[in-house]
Amino acid sequence: QVQVFQSPGEVKKPGASVKVSCKTSGYTFTSYGLSWLRQAPGQGLEWLGWISTYNGNTEYAENVRGRVAMTTETSTSTAYMELRSLRSDDTAVYYCARVSGGRSYLDNFDHWGQGTLITVTS
Amino acid sequence: DIQMTQSPSSLSASVGDTVTITCRASQTVSRDLNWYQQKPGKAPNLLIYAASSLPSGVPSRFSGSGSGTDFTLTISSLQPEDFATYYCQQSSSTPTFGQGTKVEIK
Repeated sequence: QVQVFQSPGEVKKPGASVKVSCKTSGYTFTSYGLSWLRQAPGQGLEWLGWISTYNGNTEYAENVRGRVAMTTETSTSTAYMELRSLRSDDTAVYYCARVSGGRSYLDNFDHWGQGTLITVTS
Repeated sequence: DIQMTQSPSSLSASVGDTVTITCRASQTVSRDLNWYQQKPGKAPNLLIYAASSLPSGVPSRFSGSGSGTDFTLTISSLQPEDFATYYCQQSSSTPTFGQGTKVEIK
């Protein structure tokens, strides 16, 4: 069965960087892209970007473009999201989610990780 | 980006009730509309995709309809495990979500 497992939560200071990992199993890693999303405390869901696990192409949301980098490691079926220059309003639960449409970022999110709480505080 | 507006923001209902949640897009998304259920402290779970299709394992009391800009999620015969927050999401362009509808016990 498809499984998506994320790294544990972290506490960071403003201006620092964080790298969250997302390890998948139960399917062919390169057949489905992965999106990253976040949810601030008590708020709704925000899409941050997508990476093609097939060729490494990325699409980033405008509000994090320039601060975010998404990468993959095919040998371990793992994706990573690095967010730099952290601010207090980056405090959120970060999710990775498999995109059901294969090689497009325009589709539904059919399997999600359990979430990683990133707290940005001085 | 396409804005998604859900209504109501919250509702109270009883076990056995039929509940309807609406989602409106700021421009047409054809049938590229998905619904998710989220329980406290958990990741969202895909409930409906392509406006009206159910993933395997989702109970048939959940149904979706609509196209273009107006969509509906209906839960027939509400069960105790259905009390949660529901989000719509468009996948026609850069993904965006509605603000959520919290379904609470009356």
